Amino acid sequence: SQTIHQWPATLVQPVGSPLSLECTVEGTSNPNLYWYRQAAGRGLQLLFYSIGIDQISSEVPQNLSASRPQDRQFILSSKKLLLSDSGFYLCAWSVQLGVYYEQYFGPGTRLTVT
Amino acid sequence: LAKTTQPISMDSYEGQEVNITCSHNNIATNDYITWYQQFPSQGPRFIIQGYKTKVTNEVASLFIPADRKSSTLSLPRVSLSDTAVYYCLVGASGGSYIPTFGRGTSLIVHP
Repeated sequence: SQTIHQWPATLVQPVGSPLSLECTVEGTSNPNLYWYRQAAGRGLQLLFYSIGIDQISSEVPQNLSASRPQDRQFILSSKKLLLSDSGFYLCAWSVQLGVYYEQYFGPGTRLTVT
Repeated sequence: LAKTTQPISMDSYEGQEVNITCSHNNIATNDYITWYQQFPSQGPRFIIQGYKTKVTNEVASLFIPADRKSSTLSLPRVSLSDTAVYYCLVGASGGSYIPTFGRGTSLIVHP
């Protein structure tokens, strides 16, 4: 069965510090991968999605970046964090089943920028 | 991408049936409808998906009228553990799948 991992689970970082969040998927190949952010009490905001290695699309211009160095690895980074970067970061993957897609989410990383 | 509109919040009581309606007036021919459930501090979890008419699984039912401009998620006999945020999404089956989440419906089930 497929499994998605995210780490760390929680993170407290000062403003201006760098960020690296990692997501890996097991049990599938060539998945579509996604990074979402959820601010407190809000819906999910799609940040990046990737259909393959080194193929990344950004949905929201900001100080975050994403990379996909391997088929099942997706990394979210920042060189200098802002207070507004605080939130719950979720990695997800999707697979096409017939005519439908199903999307599965990781456990998330709670980031607090102080 | 088709935009969806859902009630912001709903309240219910244990044992009742809950129906959450989502409007998607500009749904495209090849779009299908998916519902997710999210508990606090967890990622959304797939509940049910459909294209037209009615779909039922062990968790819920999804009703889609012929014009497909809306859909209704039906949760039979809810319990306290069904308290969560429910999201309705529409997305195309071809090409890249880029699901966009709205604010969802916060369902609170009372004892």
